Amino acid sequence: DTGVSQDPRHKITKRGQNVTFRCDPISEHNRLYWYRQTLGQGPEFLTYFQNEAQLEKSRLLSDRFSAERPKGSFSTLEIQRTEQGDSAMYLCASSGILGSEKLFFGSGTQLSVL
Amino acid sequence: AQRVTQPEKLLSVFKGAPVELKCNYSYSGSPELFWYVQYSRQRLQLLLRHISRESIKGFTADLNKGETSFHLKKPFAQEEDSAMYYCALSFFQGAQKLVFGQGTRLTINP
Repeated sequence: DTGVSQDPRHKITKRGQNVTFRCDPISEHNRLYWYRQTLGQGPEFLTYFQNEAQLEKSRLLSDRFSAERPKGSFSTLEIQRTEQGDSAMYLCASSGILGSEKLFFGSGTQLSVL
Repeated sequence: AQRVTQPEKLLSVFKGAPVELKCNYSYSGSPELFWYVQYSRQRLQLLLRHISRESIKGFTADLNKGETSFHLKKPFAQEEDSAMYYCALSFFQGAQKLVFGQGTRLTINP
């Protein structure tokens, strides 16, 4: 499968622990996006990168959240001191650099905070 | 603020019947509108976008700026159309920073 891959698929953690998710985009894609989806809702934009530069962060992304894309390839999303409200599906997507290129989504990482 | 509303959480129609999934948006500028679909146990994927003005899998959607709507239509539903459908709005030129509606689960009954 040469699509967007995310790891792990599922993560269960205790409140207060730190978690890190990884996303590998389609190799020729310059842009990488993180979205969050809670039950019964559509995905919500969190942040995006163009190559290694993080160009925008949503106000949804509190100080406990940090994302990196160190070499412009894979990306990590870390949540520190997790809270039960962080439980959600975290989706990664990638696209080319032209304005209206479509997003290719990964299968997501389902986070459950106990 | 930008907002996308899909008034129906659930929609059930019989095979062969017409389908219309409603989407209304709130945005004062020139939006780009999309429909994304998620079939059972598959990833979220683009179905169609208004700038392409194309028909995908028999679905069409017309942007109506006067009514701020982008309803998805298909004249004859098929069982394989059963899925979760999300309407989305891009207001940030040059990047796919999307605002999604909450989705409509479409079920096609045989």
